[in-house]
Amino acid sequence: ETGVTQTPRHLVMGMTNKKSLKCEQHLGHNAMYWYKQSAKKPLELMFVYNFKEQTENNSVPSRFSPECPNSSHLFLHLHTLQPEDSALYLCASSQPQGPGYGYTFGSGTRLTVV
Amino acid sequence: QKEVEQDPGPLSVPEGAIVSLNCTYSNSAFQYFMWYRQYSRKGPELLMYTYSSGNKEDGRFTAQVDKSSKYISLFIRDSQPSDSATYLCAAYNNNDMRFGAGTRLTVKP
Repeated sequence: ETGVTQTPRHLVMGMTNKKSLKCEQHLGHNAMYWYKQSAKKPLELMFVYNFKEQTENNSVPSRFSPECPNSSHLFLHLHTLQPEDSALYLCASSQPQGPGYGYTFGSGTRLTVV
Repeated sequence: QKEVEQDPGPLSVPEGAIVSLNCTYSNSAFQYFMWYRQYSRKGPELLMYTYSSGNKEDGRFTAQVDKSSKYISLFIRDSQPSDSATYLCAAYNNNDMRFGAGTRLTVKP
């Protein structure tokens, strides 16, 4: 494990379901991110939290709702998703001051919307 | 136009070959350049990073940046089957990290 833990690893949900993705890091990082990874496309930044405050929302549909209760935990609440939302959802953390040590990613949640 | 362009491949080479992976970027403000490696069913992990133009070597891996042409390269010498993964380039400046689509590499024994 990299130090960033994501659960569940796999999730299949219907379009009317509500589910949540969880991310946890104990690296002492102060910034956390949600990314969407689709085949043959660049990683798509969804949300950024610095010191628990949301600093970026990259025009993400409201059916995705993030929550950051503290600097170690990050959630992504999902409701009334569409089949095109099926993808790998990655959580990452970093120190906000610079990229020298890069981002530390979790293994992701493979989401399938049916 | 995408901020960072990367050919998704796939790329297949025999063991021992020299591998060249490349990206281009459009924003001249980018100052840091990174390569991430992503194994199947795993998240990306930072492989190398460089600041501004120049080369950086780490074992069998060499990262190269040419800011004049906005070109990023990763070379893998004596490639091994364990190098089989997707390689993502990234460019960063001022809290803005942009990734390429990733190139899927297979090294055949």
